[in-house]
This record gives sequence, C-alpha cells and structure tokens, in this order.
Amino acid sequence: EDQVTQSPEALRLQEGESSSLNCSYTVSGLRGLFWYRQDPGKGPEFLFTLYSAGEEKEKERLKATLTKKESFLHITAPKPEDSATYLCAVQAGSGNTPLVFGKGTRLSVIA
Amino acid sequence: DAGVIQSPRHEVTEMGQEVTLRCKPISGHDYLFWYRQTMMRGLELLIYFNNNVPIDDSGMPEDRFSAKMPNASFSTLKIQPSEPRDSAVYFCASSLVGRPLGNTIYFGEGSWLTVV
Repeated sequence: EDQVTQSPEALRLQEGESSSLNCSYTVSGLRGLFWYRQDPGKGPEFLFTLYSAGEEKEKERLKATLTKKESFLHITAPKPEDSATYLCAVQAGSGNTPLVFGKGTRLSVIA
Repeated sequence: DAGVIQSPRHEVTEMGQEVTLRCKPISGHDYLFWYRQTMMRGLELLIYFNNNVPIDDSGMPEDRFSAKMPNASFSTLKIQPSEPRDSAVYFCASSLVGRPLGNTIYFGEGSWLTVV
C-alpha cells in the first residue's frame, strides 16, 4: 500500500528563519511526487511536480527536492504570507491514478 | 476561467438526514475525484470517475455513501443517512490526462459538512 508521511505536523518560524519540511514515501513505481499548498478554508493549490531522484524545482522562496525515499520542501527566508498547510502527494502505477496524500505540515511564519 | 465549482460550501444537518454535495468540474477535464479531509486522516480518496464512468470506489466508507456522474459537467456525492462521523470537508477535483499529470489536478473550494 502506498504511504506518505510528512513531518513535522506543525512548524512555527520567525520571519526570515529558513527551514525544511519532510515527506517520506513508500510506493511501488513512483510516477510523480507533488507538493500542494492549502490555505484555511480553501482547496489544495498545486506547487510542484518531481519525477525522478535528484530533481529540484523552485518557486520564489520554495525549493522542492527528491530522493528515492523522500522529498524536502525548503523554505528560504519565509514571510508571514507563506503560512499555510503544505501537502505532499504521490502518484504510482500506470494511467492517471489518483494522488495519495500525506496529512500535511501546518506552517506558521511569525513577523 | 472557472475552476472546479462545489456546492453547498457549508452544510449543517441533523443525523439521519440525506446530504447531497454537488460538483461541476472544469470544462474539458475527463477525470473527476471526490476526496474527504479530516484532521485525523488527512485527505482520503473516496471515488473517481473517468469519462463519467466510476473507476474505483474502494474508498467509499459505507453503503450510506454513493456518487454519480450523469454527464461530463456534473457529479454528486450523496450520504444517506448521515451520521456525526461524516462531518468533514469534501473536495471535488478534476484533471485532464496528459503529461505532466499532477499539475493538471485542480481542486474545488470544498463543501464543509457538519452532522449534528
């Protein structure tokens, strides 16, 4: 069974304090690993897709990396507007199979 | 460009009542997914459709839950009878087959259900 574990569950940072969120996964035949951002009262919003170990993607203060067992979402010099829940998901197998999500990391950035 | 549209946004109902949640996917998308989100279990897939046909409903928790997709622009998720443990946020999402795949999965704003 495909599994995704995210840590920590919650993270509180001071503005400008860089850190990383972890996503560990167990999946047979990884097709892609996805990061989403979810604001309170909203649906998840797509951030990145990573397909193979060693791949990196960047968007503003966020950088996602992928190894064979885990992915990291690095947040550099975060701002209060980066506060949200960050969800990791994996897609396995063939065809357009549904994503399997982790429970997320709730990030709070304090000014 | 309209995204995935869900209704109602919020619903409070009494135990035993029937609840119907509605979803309009993005025009042209051929996959539709229903997810449920709770603090304890996170986002869980309930059922998904391809070209209006249910592909996998193994995530539907009980016979009290049913989903239909009568056409490409409309889907419903029904709970009958509802129970307090069904309280959650229900998300509908749609996607279009292609490469890459994951970034074409779009979520609605969710339907917040409270069963008292």
